[in-house]
Amino acid sequence: DGGITQSPKYLFRKEGQNVTLSCEQNLNHDAMYWYRQDPGQGLRLIYYSQIVNDFQKGDIAEGYSVSREKKESFPLTVTSAQKNPTAFYLCASSPGSQETQYFGPGTRLLVL
Amino acid sequence: QKEVEQDPGPLSVPEGAIVSLNCTYSNSAFQYFMWYRQYSRKGPELLMYTYSSGNKEDGRFTAQVDKSSKYISLFIRDSQPSDSATYLCAIRGGSSNTGKLIFGQGTTLQVKP
Repeated sequence: DGGITQSPKYLFRKEGQNVTLSCEQNLNHDAMYWYRQDPGQGLRLIYYSQIVNDFQKGDIAEGYSVSREKKESFPLTVTSAQKNPTAFYLCASSPGSQETQYFGPGTRLLVL
Repeated sequence: QKEVEQDPGPLSVPEGAIVSLNCTYSNSAFQYFMWYRQYSRKGPELLMYTYSSGNKEDGRFTAQVDKSSKYISLFIRDSQPSDSATYLCAIRGGSSNTGKLIFGQGTTLQVKP
């Protein structure tokens, strides 16, 4: 059953804590993306990776970090430097960077 | 000026109505146009994808692109309560682009039985 999975579905962060959101895909896609969605706003790009072991900052990378050690995995860490982390986080992948992006189910991050 | 503008709604229509959702964009270099549907608390799913001016149909859905006016639309015929969702337009540049999508704010649609 091919697709993109994100975990957990809900995540709670305490002040000063780093948290990591998981994104896995079994579609054999080269490119992967992380977006943030806030109420009343469109999706904003945090980081993207066009190939394994390479990634680039998107429009709102400050306070976030990523890694791409495996083709199928692109975890996102929300660091303590991100002062307003409450949002819905969406991972996407595409066969190549110029092709259609498909989204995972999302992770909702809340601050305690 | 935002690169992509979309009326956030909300838009409420009776079942069976024709729905028109619209986006405008500012950069004439944009070449690829997508519509995503997002149900509450779910990830967006791709509805329509087009790269040329004109109309593209898929069942009850028609995507329209007018590059001269920098205007894209999604029409939903015979709307159903199951169409109630947020609709996001997304636009991408040409071949030199990294593949980054630029999204509109999304329009929330409610179809009442």
